[in-house]
Amino acid sequence: DQQVKQNSPSLSVQEGRISILNCDYTNSMFDYFLWYKKYPAEGPTFLISISSIKDKNEDGRFTVFLNKSAKHLSLHIVPSQPGDSAVYFCAANSYNTDKLIFGTGTRLQVFP
Amino acid sequence: DTAVSQTPKYLVTQMGNDKSIKCEQNLGHDTMYWYKQDSKKFLKIMFSYNNKELIINETVPNRFSPKSPDKAHLNLHINSLELGDSAVYFCASSGRGEQFFGPGTRLTVL
Repeated sequence: DQQVKQNSPSLSVQEGRISILNCDYTNSMFDYFLWYKKYPAEGPTFLISISSIKDKNEDGRFTVFLNKSAKHLSLHIVPSQPGDSAVYFCAANSYNTDKLIFGTGTRLQVFP
Repeated sequence: DTAVSQTPKYLVTQMGNDKSIKCEQNLGHDTMYWYKQDSKKFLKIMFSYNNKELIINETVPNRFSPKSPDKAHLNLHINSLELGDSAVYFCASSGRGEQFFGPGTRLTVL
């Protein structure tokens, strides 16, 4: 039972344009959501997070939006840069547990 | 300075062998984890330790035994390795927020 889903395995975007990565979840107990970025042969690196009491969190070029009623979150990267090419994982957990549930990842490729 | 380190990075071994993966964090975090990323790229938690105490133990075979000699270390010992154990294993640690991951250990069981 996949509680966190990233339905797009890959995304290709031109440099300078916006990248939008999507994530859906099924567990209504989740109240904290994170995005991780992963380069080949490296561990996932934390990118940005959002608590369920917010609907938007911004950090530089990265913005995460949360729609609780739809159980959907998205990561916007603007402008996209070639160095953003990586696999992006969405993750979620509940306040009373450290257990992160990960999505299967979306491979983003930013081309010149 | 590497925040979360794992050794070895690659591990190739025969079925039936016993092997260990070591993990160390220098972030002063209280909680450490082991994750497994299988061939389908699912990243799933296996264990979590807080201050050397086991907190999370997912449905992992008994052949997998984590050991935390101190807060900064969480090692993973695997007995009687099977083909299905082939995966990338990630160690992670956290303080009060996000988890920081090690570079991963790619285990291949032949």
